[in-house]
Amino acid sequence: NAGVTQTPKFQVLKTGQSMTLQCAQDMNHNSMYWYRQDPGMGLRLIYYSASEGTTDKGEVPNGYNVSRLNKREFSLRLESAAPSQTSVYFCASSDTAYNQPQHFGDGTRLSIL
Amino acid sequence: AQSVAQPEDQVNVAEGNPLTVKCTYSVSGNPYLFWYVQYPNRGLQFLLKYITGDNLVKGSYGFEAEFNKSQTSFHLKKPSALVSDSALYFCAVRDIYNTDKLIFGTGTRLQVFP
Repeated sequence: NAGVTQTPKFQVLKTGQSMTLQCAQDMNHNSMYWYRQDPGMGLRLIYYSASEGTTDKGEVPNGYNVSRLNKREFSLRLESAAPSQTSVYFCASSDTAYNQPQHFGDGTRLSIL
Repeated sequence: AQSVAQPEDQVNVAEGNPLTVKCTYSVSGNPYLFWYVQYPNRGLQFLLKYITGDNLVKGSYGFEAEFNKSQTSFHLKKPSALVSDSALYFCAVRDIYNTDKLIFGTGTRLQVFP
């Protein structure tokens, strides 16, 4: 069972470069999320999408854009990468019901020099 | 404001001993609580949840959690720790103003020594 798949797993960028992190889920979930994880800060929500065609800002959206391409795919774009965006990025998905857990991918480790 | 707190950055326990990882919450109304585990270089994995009903919730890998409304706590427990339980544990609560979202604690690293 694939679950939530993120690509790439690792990436090194130079300051000012752009890139898109890809995420796909095969569980037919309506909701999808992008988080960043930094030491000592837990997970912080960047953007989320409650359903196909909708996106909303989370706690730390600045410097990022997202696209909910279809029900399966939710991408995160860094238009002009900054060293402060060095982090581990996780995508997650969940069923809409309030009592359902989120399912996570294995992350993208992004370093910006 | 809604929040969860994990007061311990790290918990150390000997293999075979019981373990407890603490979580307290602050939510208006009924809380919907979750525990996740993260192994190195992996994403978070769902362990268990409390929605309603019995205060003792059983989950994956022999873990359980006790919901205590008067103490606003949801501590994770296991009767006998394994070295393989060593990981990062996160408590989370459903955001009641936007039920699509979870609010995560900062995590507790569990180290089980042989």
